[in-house]
Amino acid sequence: AQSVAQPEDQVNVAEGNPLTVKCTYSVSGNPYLFWYVQYPNRGLQFLLKYITGDNLVKGSYGFEAEFNKSQTSFHLKKPSALVSDSALYFCAVRDVGGSQGNLIFGKGTKLSVKP
Amino acid sequence: GAGVSQSPSNKVTEKGKDVELRCDPISGHTALYWYRQSLGQGLEFLIYFQGNSAPDKSGLPSDRFSAERTGGSVSTLTIQRTQQEDSAVYLCASSGTPRGTSGNYEQYFGPGTRLTVT
Repeated sequence: AQSVAQPEDQVNVAEGNPLTVKCTYSVSGNPYLFWYVQYPNRGLQFLLKYITGDNLVKGSYGFEAEFNKSQTSFHLKKPSALVSDSALYFCAVRDVGGSQGNLIFGKGTKLSVKP
Repeated sequence: GAGVSQSPSNKVTEKGKDVELRCDPISGHTALYWYRQSLGQGLEFLIYFQGNSAPDKSGLPSDRFSAERTGGSVSTLTIQRTQQEDSAVYLCASSGTPRGTSGNYEQYFGPGTRLTVT
C-alpha cells in the first residue's frame, strides 16, 4: 500500500536560516511526488512535483525538493526562510503504475518561522 | 483564471440532518477529487471522478456519503444523517489528467467547506 510519512509535526526556524521539512514515502513502483502548502483558512496550494528526470526540483516561492530513491525521501528545502513561509506543509505521493488517481497525503508539518 | 470554488464556505448542521456540498472545478479539468481534512489529521481521500468513467468511491467512509458529478463539471458531495464525527473541512480538487495517462498532473484545490455537526 502507498503511504507517506512526515516525521515532524512542527519545525521551528529563525528567519534567514535554511529550512528542511522531511518526507518519506512508500509505493510499490515508481512515485510521483508532490508538495503542497496550506495557509490558515485557505485551501492547499501546489508548490512543486517530481515526476522524472533531475532529482532536484525547484518550485514556487524559492522552495526546492530533492528526490532520493535509495532513501525513499523527498525533503522540502529553502535556503533562507521567511516569516511568511509559516504554514502547514503536506507531502503527497501517487504510484506511477497504480490505478488510483488520488494522492496519498502525509499528516502535514507545521512550519513556524520566527523573526 | 478562475480556480476551484466550493460552497458553502461554512456549514453548521444538526446531527441527523442531510447536507450537500458543492464543488466547481477549473474549466476543462477532467479529474475531480474530494478529500476530508480533520483536525490534526492529513487529507483523507473520499472519491475520484475521471471524465465519464465510473467514479472511484473507495475512500467513502460509509454509505451515508455519496457524490455525483453532473455533465463532467460541477460535483456535489452529500452526507446523509450527519454525525458529529463528520465534522471536518471538505476539500475539492481538480486536475487536467487526460483519460488513459498515468496522471502526473498536480491537483488544484478549492478553499474547502468547513462542516460542523452539532
